[in-house]
Amino acid sequence: EAGVTQFPSHSVIEKGQTVTLRCDPISGHDNLYWYRRVMGKEIKFLLHFVKESKQDESGMPNNRFLAERTGGTYSTLKVQPAELEDSGVYFCASSQGTGPLEQFFGPGTRLTVL
Amino acid sequence: AQSVSQHNHHVILSEAASLELGCNYSYGGTVNLFWYVQYPGQHLQLLLKYFSGDPLVKGIKGFEAEFIKSKFSFNLRKPSVQWSDTAEYFCAVLAYSSASKIIFGSGTRLSIRP
Repeated sequence: EAGVTQFPSHSVIEKGQTVTLRCDPISGHDNLYWYRRVMGKEIKFLLHFVKESKQDESGMPNNRFLAERTGGTYSTLKVQPAELEDSGVYFCASSQGTGPLEQFFGPGTRLTVL
Repeated sequence: AQSVSQHNHHVILSEAASLELGCNYSYGGTVNLFWYVQYPGQHLQLLLKYFSGDPLVKGIKGFEAEFIKSKFSFNLRKPSVQWSDTAEYFCAVLAYSSASKIIFGSGTRLSIRP
């Protein structure tokens, strides 16, 4: 069974540009999560999808971040316009079922904003 | 607010030494507890988890952790470390009241001298 995949693995952009990160969850997992780790700090929750609906987006830092999950399969996280402080590693995770569950993480996308 | 504290930022040990990484969390309700590991160049993997039952849980690669509810702790242990245990270790909490967001500690980097 394929795990959670993320694309790209690395992205280097300039301040003010737009970047779109993609996450493909494990097949059949309704829950999809985005997390972020800024340099040297803890991994922080951004948001949670159940199928195509946003269940919890309390961790989204500001309105420059837009997450979508059209059709309830893969998800995209767009940053527009990117700022220097957006640099970090963006992790995606997925889980199956309802309630507090084990989440399976993808390899992450390392975003560098210059 | 829920939080997770990992006591050590960087631990350096020699092979065959015993390991204990401290983790404390702040949340008064029912929790699920995790230790994740990220080996160099790899993605986050689940090392072990506690959902309920025996508070001493065993994970992969000889790791174990003990949940002490009265101390809000979930320390990770291994009796004899190997060079291949060099990695970053994350303690994490998932509160039953929040069936989505995992709260991570800041991570402990473990370096093993051969």
